[in-house]
Amino acid sequence: NAGVTQTPKFQVLKTGQSMTLQCAQDMNHNSMYWYRQDPGMGLRLIYYSASEGTTDKGEVPNGYNVSRLNKREFSLRLESAAPSQTSVYFCASSEASLGTSRDFGPGTRLTVL
Amino acid sequence: QKEVEQNSGPLSVPEGAIASLNCTYSDRVSQSFFWYRQYSGKSPELIMSIYSNGDKEDGRFTAQLNKASQYVSLLIRDSQPSDSATYLCAVRVSGNTGKLIFGQGTTLQVKP
Repeated sequence: NAGVTQTPKFQVLKTGQSMTLQCAQDMNHNSMYWYRQDPGMGLRLIYYSASEGTTDKGEVPNGYNVSRLNKREFSLRLESAAPSQTSVYFCASSEASLGTSRDFGPGTRLTVL
Repeated sequence: QKEVEQNSGPLSVPEGAIASLNCTYSDRVSQSFFWYRQYSGKSPELIMSIYSNGDKEDGRFTAQLNKASQYVSLLIRDSQPSDSATYLCAVRVSGNTGKLIFGQGTTLQVKP
């Protein structure tokens, strides 16, 4: 069991470039999440997918789009990167979306110049 | 007022002491509470969950929940240098969304 995997681990972008962060889980979890973590800000939810075929906005969705490709995969896309999107991005999954904790991936450290 | 508040620390304790980490939350209806540990440069990992008022013990860790006062705490007994990390409190948002709100985390330093 690999758990939750994310690619890439590190990425440097220039302002205006686009990229997609990939996430996959092999635990047969229904729900998947994307968080960003900034110093002093804790983890903030960007988007989540309660189940395959559904996505919903979290606390900070502006500038991002997501795709729940299938039950295993949930990608996060930055269409036009901005320096304010410099952060560490974590993907997570949970068996259900109600009252359960999260299994986190290793994170992607993104720098936008 | 932030929905989930933690003192960012650092909290420094000597090896073998009890470390006490606190968290307050604003949503009176919240029912599920979690403590995550995050080592520097790593992802958060769940160490405790608590749903009812009172204490819940797991090895050296004890989670305490007081819904009337809207706080949840984590006690680490016999603290070890390997416990040095940032501890994140998370509270499930009321309603049928399952969203978790995280505090900013408390950094714990255990000195040998």
